[in-house]
Amino acid sequence: DTEVTQTPKHLVMGMTNKKSLKCEQHMGHRAMYWYKQKAKKPPELMFVYSYEKLSINESVPSRFSPECPNSSLLNLHLHALQPEDSALYLCASSQVKVSNTEAFFGQGTRLTVV
Amino acid sequence: GQQVMQIPQYQHVQEGEDFTTYCNSSTTLSNIQWYKQRPGGHPVFLIQLVKSGEVKKQKRLTFQFGEAKKNSSLHITATQTTDVGTYFCAGTGYGGSQGNLIFGKGTKLSVKP
Repeated sequence: DTEVTQTPKHLVMGMTNKKSLKCEQHMGHRAMYWYKQKAKKPPELMFVYSYEKLSINESVPSRFSPECPNSSLLNLHLHALQPEDSALYLCASSQVKVSNTEAFFGQGTRLTVV
Repeated sequence: GQQVMQIPQYQHVQEGEDFTTYCNSSTTLSNIQWYKQRPGGHPVFLIQLVKSGEVKKQKRLTFQFGEAKKNSSLHITATQTTDVGTYFCAGTGYGGSQGNLIFGKGTKLSVKP
């Protein structure tokens, strides 16, 4: 199984809503990532978890709250988002190595904030 | 901070023509990765280059890492319509944390049949 599964695939939420994005992998990868991708732009790193501990937070606003409940799951909790937060949110996973290794990306959640 | 520049931003070719995209980093990289993202899809890993001057081939795709480990290129020979998509390079600097990939802006390739 070389898949990273993200749910939901599409999400529309109001600015006062609370929602969560979910990501799952069963490749035994101990590094998991959240990226944000706006249209016609490259993926921007948001968070990195290594061995279930947050290792990188790229100055992401607190309305985005990541969680890694176990080595296979990664969540992104959303609260009080703004319309400019609308984007494709990508989860990825990889092995943990001194030199970076291949990142496997999920299909993403296309988020629209209204 | 570290930046990875990628050119061109767009490339339109006739099927059968060659295509090249270039990446340049402001700092020496420990490694560089290449990804392909089809329209409406997600990035898919193509290859990783680690050694200075490294050249790797995958069928019609040739990847190079510069001697100074600050630049890289992807060359596609005789493009096909299935090559359509955006090609991203992504690099990691020395001393970087796990997963701290810096993506180039990507080159969007369109192929006219």
